[in-house]
Amino acid sequence: GESVGLHLPTLSVQEGDNSIINCAYSNSASDYFIWYKQESGKGPQFIIDIRSNMDKRQGQRVTVLLNKTVKHLSLQIAATQPGDSAVYFCAEKGTLHFNKFYFGSGTKLNVKP
Amino acid sequence: DTGVSQNPRHKITKRGQNVTFRCDPISEHNRLYWYRQTLGQGPEFLTYFQNEAQLEKSRLLSDRFSAERPKGSFSTLEIQRTEQGDSAMYLCASSLKGGMNTEAFFGQGTRLTVV
Repeated sequence: GESVGLHLPTLSVQEGDNSIINCAYSNSASDYFIWYKQESGKGPQFIIDIRSNMDKRQGQRVTVLLNKTVKHLSLQIAATQPGDSAVYFCAEKGTLHFNKFYFGSGTKLNVKP
Repeated sequence: DTGVSQNPRHKITKRGQNVTFRCDPISEHNRLYWYRQTLGQGPEFLTYFQNEAQLEKSRLLSDRFSAERPKGSFSTLEIQRTEQGDSAMYLCASSLKGGMNTEAFFGQGTRLTVV
């Protein structure tokens, strides 16, 4: 099956700095990716998505970059705030899997005030 | 609140007992998913419904697990003869049918502890 993993299990940043969370995936046929944020005791919250025909997508304070050549996904958070502290998951879906997402193990983001 | 709703939020049960969880998806969403999440891990897919039809089941879903969505709205997940290894967060998500790539919205989850 597909494998989605994260390079850094824990990331600590200073409030106001930019954060970059990385994710590697193994299935070159994956065509849709989502970044989720999960706070303690809560379900994953959708942040931003990107389709495989795109390299970059921007949202409010967040940018997702997709490099299909090296099967790498990143989430950039601008001007990180204490409220951004959470675990971040990337999830991927293969072309033939209509609705089955594969999640990595997550990166914990700690924002220091 | 128009998000995905799950009940109960927490459940403690003795090993060998049966438990049932409920999920109410976002009202216009016809796709519903169950995932399981253990501490420090990402969610793992269990099963998927489109309307009332259960279209896919993971190998993680043993014979002790059964999920239903009788009227294409709310769904239940039942675990029979619970084991300690069943302790996890059970997450429900829903999405709109609209092509292959639509985001799934998650509920708050039901945390199961088997003692």
